[in-house]
Amino acid sequence: GAGVSQSPRYKVAKRGQDVALRCDPISGHVSLFWYQQALGQGPEFLTYFQNEAQLDKSGLPSDRFFAERPEGSVSTLKIQRTQQEDSAVYLCASSLALSGRANEQFFGPGTRLTVL
Amino acid sequence: AQSVTQLGSHVSVSEGALVLLRCNYSSSVPPYLFWYVQYPNQGLQLLLKYTSAATLVKGINDFEAEFKKSETSFHLTKPSAHMSDAAEYFCAVSRGGGFKTIFGAGTRLFVKA
Repeated sequence: GAGVSQSPRYKVAKRGQDVALRCDPISGHVSLFWYQQALGQGPEFLTYFQNEAQLDKSGLPSDRFFAERPEGSVSTLKIQRTQQEDSAVYLCASSLALSGRANEQFFGPGTRLTVL
Repeated sequence: AQSVTQLGSHVSVSEGALVLLRCNYSSSVPPYLFWYVQYPNQGLQLLLKYTSAATLVKGINDFEAEFKKSETSFHLTKPSAHMSDAAEYFCAVSRGGGFKTIFGAGTRLFVKA
């Protein structure tokens, strides 16, 4: 596709529900990142994939958060037993994985999650 | 460890006036630095990036930023503000390919007619 796409764009969940957020990166981009952006804040790193390998998940706030990219393309961020503090915009970004280079990350429009 | 501090959560300028958005960084390795812009309900878009090739970096829409190692700064400027520049701006730092990007808290730019 022309850019990074995310679905759904908006998700409302009741506290305790599980949600799954999808990211379609730019074709050919090896690197994929997930960020969480709370209202009025900058994006906070959650996790990073290089192809299907999850190389860094240090930003996942709890074991309720899980991400996968089984075939090295589409990625899913899953949040189990959602809590109100999970309400945020979840951003996905992809880039070329050129070691030692300033790789521009291309961002999707985000999924706004609201937990009631 | 790397971090970014953006001075001023809100900046207001008149149309046609100089825009200056401040960013200071901390990095234990030579950094790659970025400025992104975010319009309402949209993803982040890259304005410009510093890659060590030149300290003065020019980006899209007449924005530019100067890397000052002695001041650990990477301030964003534009000579003449336009109404369409009203948005949220984020400064970010990275170690490069394969590493996460650390974002500042953002500065919201307001442009008055």
